Amino acid sequence: AQKVTQAQTEISVVEKEDVTLDCVYETRDTTYYLFWYKQPPSGELVFLIRRNSFDEQNEISGRYSWNFQKSTSSFNFTITASQVVDSAVYFCALSEANSGYALNFGKGTSLLVTP
Amino acid sequence: EAGVVQSPRYKIIEKKQPVAFWCNPISGHNTLYWYLQNLGQGPELLIRYENEEAVDDSQLPKDRFSAERLKGVDSTLKIQPAELGDSAVYLCASSDPRGTGELFFGEGSRLTVL
Repeated sequence: AQKVTQAQTEISVVEKEDVTLDCVYETRDTTYYLFWYKQPPSGELVFLIRRNSFDEQNEISGRYSWNFQKSTSSFNFTITASQVVDSAVYFCALSEANSGYALNFGKGTSLLVTP
Repeated sequence: EAGVVQSPRYKIIEKKQPVAFWCNPISGHNTLYWYLQNLGQGPELLIRYENEEAVDDSQLPKDRFSAERLKGVDSTLKIQPAELGDSAVYLCASSDPRGTGELFFGEGSRLTVL
């Protein structure tokens, strides 16, 4: 069963628009971590953020913000005032204590920001 | 600090040939992972090592895939014989058990099987 669902396969926005990438997860563990990674065309996976299951505080880092809601098992990612350099594939991932914290990735959302 | 190093970056082989990928994790990272990423998909775990022990290889197709991490540092992933469907990117990652669970990924090895 898919543990991480990213329903949006592709999103296209015009520069300076805000965009939200959705992530829904499934787990029975009480201790788990949620991640977002960025994969630009170069291919390397770049870590963006990690949240643990006990910390539901939303986080903001520059133009990036994350909304973690355990009640809906969601961990959504918003880019404010998008830029062309934000174009990439974004992956949401879950790691659970009972799997040694190996990352379980969603299928990714491809974001295209056009000038 | 050097990141996770993988080689080769690109490999093109004919089907039924063998191929091997090498990974050098970040110094001090005891946990090493091999992931497979098919085009348009998220990475999928193949095998996880804690030091030299493979603690999770349930997703590794053992009929043709093998991996080793003899001294608990570098690791090699081998495919023999390769099939057309093995064309993908093979990603290596490592993590620090004292850390926050963050995985650090290498640039990957892109395999094309003709």
